[in-house]
Amino acid sequence: SQTIHQWPATLVQPVGSPLSLECTVEGTSNPNLYWYRQAAGRGLQLLFYSVGIGQISSEVPQNLSASRPQDRQFILSSKKLLLSDSGFYLCAWNPLAGDTGELFFGEGSRLTVL
Amino acid sequence: EDQVTQSPEALRLQEGESSSLNCSYTVSGLRGLFWYRQDPGKGPEFLFTLYSAGEEKEKERLKATLTKKESFLHITAPKPEDSATYLCAVFSGGYNKLIFGAGTRLAVHP
Repeated sequence: SQTIHQWPATLVQPVGSPLSLECTVEGTSNPNLYWYRQAAGRGLQLLFYSVGIGQISSEVPQNLSASRPQDRQFILSSKKLLLSDSGFYLCAWNPLAGDTGELFFGEGSRLTVL
Repeated sequence: EDQVTQSPEALRLQEGESSSLNCSYTVSGLRGLFWYRQDPGKGPEFLFTLYSAGEEKEKERLKATLTKKESFLHITAPKPEDSATYLCAVFSGGYNKLIFGAGTRLAVHP
């Protein structure tokens, strides 16, 4: 069966520090991968998606970046965090055909920037 | 601009008190409307897909319906374990862009 792992689960970082959140998927090949952010009381905002290794699409201009160094690994990064980067970050995947609207989400990474 | 709006923001029910959650959408060419359930501190979990007006899907105490402008999630005789945030979503501009509403926080009290 397929599983998705995110880490770290919780992170407290000072403003201006770097960030790296990791996501890996097991049990499937060639998944579409997604990073969403959920601010308190808000819906999920799509940040990045990837349909293959090295292929990244950015949905929202910001100081975050994403990379996909391996088929089932997706990394969210920042060189210098802002207060507004605080939130709940969710990684998700779906099969490459991807037209069912059924995303499989990880457990999330809660980031607090102080 | 494609948009998904959910109401109410929060709903408190007594156990057994049926109600409905609303999801209204504006999208160029609907290619599916999707309902998710999210427990506190967890990632969302997929519930239903609806593709065309008039379609209905059921799962235990939940029934989702779809019209040309909105979807309803009906909860019949809810139990405390139904307490969660319910999110709806639609494709926007492509099959890789799923946009979500802000959700309805449902609390069911015994």
